[in-house]
Amino acid sequence: DGGITQSPKYLFRKEGQNVTLSCEQNLNHDAMYWYRQDPGQGLRLIYYSQIVNDFQKGDIAEGYSVSREKKESFPLTVTSAQKNPTAFYLCASSITHNQPQHFGDGTRLSIL
Amino acid sequence: AQSVTQLGSHVSVSEGALVLLRCNYSSSVPPYLFWYVQYPNQGLQLLLKYTSAATLVKGINGFEAEFKKSETSFHLTKPSAHMSDAAEYFCAVSDQGSYIPTFGRGTSLIVHP
Repeated sequence: DGGITQSPKYLFRKEGQNVTLSCEQNLNHDAMYWYRQDPGQGLRLIYYSQIVNDFQKGDIAEGYSVSREKKESFPLTVTSAQKNPTAFYLCASSITHNQPQHFGDGTRLSIL
Repeated sequence: AQSVTQLGSHVSVSEGALVLLRCNYSSSVPPYLFWYVQYPNQGLQLLLKYTSAATLVKGINGFEAEFKKSETSFHLTKPSAHMSDAAEYFCAVSDQGSYIPTFGRGTSLIVHP
């Protein structure tokens, strides 16, 4: 079955450490997205990519970085510059604009 | 910029009662509209979508939504709530040609036995 796979399910970060969240899709979708979800705040867009080797900042990109070297992969790195990284991170993809997004099951990041 | 308002961060109903979750958007041009459901510690799943084919849209799990242009609304309903409907519901709006949907803050549906 096609879908989006996020790993790991749970992740812990030490002070000053960078961590990378994985997102892989086999839906052949062009667009991919990273969202951060905090209680009561809905989804906030971190980065998105419409095509391979191209990506744009979303509303809360500071302290995060991404790459899009392959169509099926869109990893997110939470850098040490992100001072409040504890949140639920969701990766999504869509076939093109105006189409529904497909979501992974999320990664919950906590601070040690 | 597009904005999406979901009235009520929490909605509580009894099992078997009508479910009504409200969503209003700001665009004057009819956008693309979506409702998603999120169960605890999971991603979002598409419930239904409006893409101008019909104003009343039927989705999965017995949910439906009606697009009302004059009210810029896309409220989600279900005639009879089930315990398994307890979840977080998100309304999302995408302007024509845009890759970036705008999400509402979500409404938590609580179903009492």
